[in-house]
Amino acid sequence: NAGVTQTPKFQVLKTGQSMTLQCAQDMNHNSMYWYRQDPGMGLRLIYYSASEGTTDKGEVPNGYNVSRLNKREFSLRLESAAPSQTSVYFCASSDLPRDRGPENTEAFFGQGTRLTVV
Amino acid sequence: SQQGEEDPQALSIQEGENATMNCSYKTSINNLQWYRQNSGRGLVHLILIRSNEREKHSGRLRVTLDTSKKSSSLLITASRAADTASYFCGMDSSYKLIFGSGTRLLVRP
Repeated sequence: NAGVTQTPKFQVLKTGQSMTLQCAQDMNHNSMYWYRQDPGMGLRLIYYSASEGTTDKGEVPNGYNVSRLNKREFSLRLESAAPSQTSVYFCASSDLPRDRGPENTEAFFGQGTRLTVV
Repeated sequence: SQQGEEDPQALSIQEGENATMNCSYKTSINNLQWYRQNSGRGLVHLILIRSNEREKHSGRLRVTLDTSKKSSSLLITASRAADTASYFCGMDSSYKLIFGSGTRLLVRP
């Protein structure tokens, strides 16, 4: 199994350009997440999707949009990139159940997309 | 701002010593998870403790949770050079998984 796959691995954008980061998981997980990690910092949640068809804002959603295309795929779009969005972006998935049962499981992460906006 | 804070921010120990990292959080949680990150790669899950548990062990890892103080600790016993990495606590609440600021651990051979 591939787990969580992110594309691309590296990207350089000019200020004002747009792009979409792709994420796919093959573990049939309900929940998917997008995070950004700035140098020497922890991960900050941008958006998450608790299940197919739903998306919600995380800690730092401004400047981003997401689409939960189907159960496997969760994309992150930058409509007009800014230098402040230079970061490493991680996608993750987990099998948190819809009805919050007693069994909760860990998140699995992709290898990250290193984005530089110049 | 992040919902979780970890201390210390950085920790340097000798191989064979124990390493303790602490995590404090602000909201109620369903569970708390600890992850490891090597050199900017994706996080890897280490251990999960549910909100109704107080202590859990896995190999050389021991995690405690005090929901009244909204805090958790991760103990790595008999550390090895290969344990050098960043460690993050993740707070699971309301379908969200929020991470702390991390502890950078250096284990000197």
